[in-house]
Amino acid sequence: AQTVTQSQPEMSVQEAETVTLSCTYDTSESDYYLFWYKQPPSRQMILVIRQEAYKQQNATENRFSVNFQKAAKSFSLKISDSQLGDAAMYFCAYPSGSARQLTFGSGTQLTVLP
Amino acid sequence: DAGVIQSPRHEVTEMGQEVTLRCKPISGHNSLFWYRQTMMRGLELLIYFNNNVPIDDSGMPEDRFSAKMPNASFSTLKIQPSEPRDSAVYFCASSLYWGQGIQPQHFGDGTRLSIL
Repeated sequence: AQTVTQSQPEMSVQEAETVTLSCTYDTSESDYYLFWYKQPPSRQMILVIRQEAYKQQNATENRFSVNFQKAAKSFSLKISDSQLGDAAMYFCAYPSGSARQLTFGSGTQLTVLP
Repeated sequence: DAGVIQSPRHEVTEMGQEVTLRCKPISGHNSLFWYRQTMMRGLELLIYFNNNVPIDDSGMPEDRFSAKMPNASFSTLKIQPSEPRDSAVYFCASSLYWGQGIQPQHFGDGTRLSIL
């Protein structure tokens, strides 16, 4: 069974600074996707970024980028120029199974300090 | 475009009552998922449908839980009878799936369920 591990229950960052959230996963598949979702206090689940395992290049979406290390099965999220609105719970997720249902990590609560 | 629509947003009811949660997926999506989020267990998959057919309900806690998808634009999750330990946020998500391809799941705003 696939597992997703987020080892940082809480992180904090100063506004305008950079923070990296860690995620590791376990899989026997060679081609797959990985996602980061954001859950602000409003409890919406918002897709932040996705990475396709067969692509060498790390995905980037504006201030959000990933460091994908396939051999190490590591998928970290870097947030640059942190803003107050980035404060949220961040979940790493791996789609697997016949319908690509998501397995989530336990989440990292990010606090942005003014 | 309208996203995944869930109702109600909040539900408070007494133990033993029947609870029905509703979901309208994004038009054109053929996969629908029900997740439950609690502090203790995090986000866990309850059941998913592909082309309106339940594929895997192994995540459903027990027989008190049931889910249906009568058509491509509507799904329900029912709890009967409800118990206090069912209190959680229930999310519905949908995506387009076509074998090897994958699109991200889009989530509704969730239903916060409180069983007294």
